Amino acid sequence: DAKTTQPNSMESNEEEPVHLPCNHSTISGTDYIHWYRQLPSQGPEYVIHGLTSNVNNRMASLAIAEDRKSSTLILHRATLRDAAVYYCILTGDNYGQNFVFGPGTRLSVLP
Amino acid sequence: DAGITQSPRHKVTETGTPVTLRCHQTENHRYMYWYRQDPGHGLRLIHYSYGVKDTDKGEVSDGYSVSRSKTEDFLLTLESATSSQTSVYFCAISGGGRFGYTFGSGTRLTVV
Repeated sequence: DAKTTQPNSMESNEEEPVHLPCNHSTISGTDYIHWYRQLPSQGPEYVIHGLTSNVNNRMASLAIAEDRKSSTLILHRATLRDAAVYYCILTGDNYGQNFVFGPGTRLSVLP
Repeated sequence: DAGITQSPRHKVTETGTPVTLRCHQTENHRYMYWYRQDPGHGLRLIHYSYGVKDTDKGEVSDGYSVSRSKTEDFLLTLESATSSQTSVYFCAISGGGRFGYTFGSGTRLTVV
């Protein structure tokens, strides 16, 4: 299974941009890059996902390196509500069994 | 609203009793998953399903069984609950990797 590597924790100030990195050097050509977050006492929540091109949605942006061996989740303006554990996960289109979580990055947002 | 519901939300049971947790979806997604989450271990995959009557084991499947007799329901059964199975259980659904995954709100199970 393709694996990802993320920093254990990061800190950000409120209203500043946050860049959360993820390394996935063994990614295959058909793997999608997914990002989820988990707020305290809640289930994981979808943030964004992509294959090759950068992606934007109302929550965040996903920047994917040209060689696809790394990606960055960008929160454009952190709020206190963005404090959560963020998970970067790789999964193929037809192989649902590959949806395995790592430890993720715990993001703290300082007021 | 998200098309996935878990029941019950909370359950306390005694050691040695059977327990069944239910995950119900209204999205007609092919893939369904059961995870458990414990402090210090993060989310761990128990079992998953890739279609009706098609299931397979995840990384922590010992002591658990699953069944999927119809697309919308994925049942997780603890045949004889043990205290080590005290945990929060999450169900997830997906149409495949090109789509997002949606998680349920979780079931908090306490085995006493």
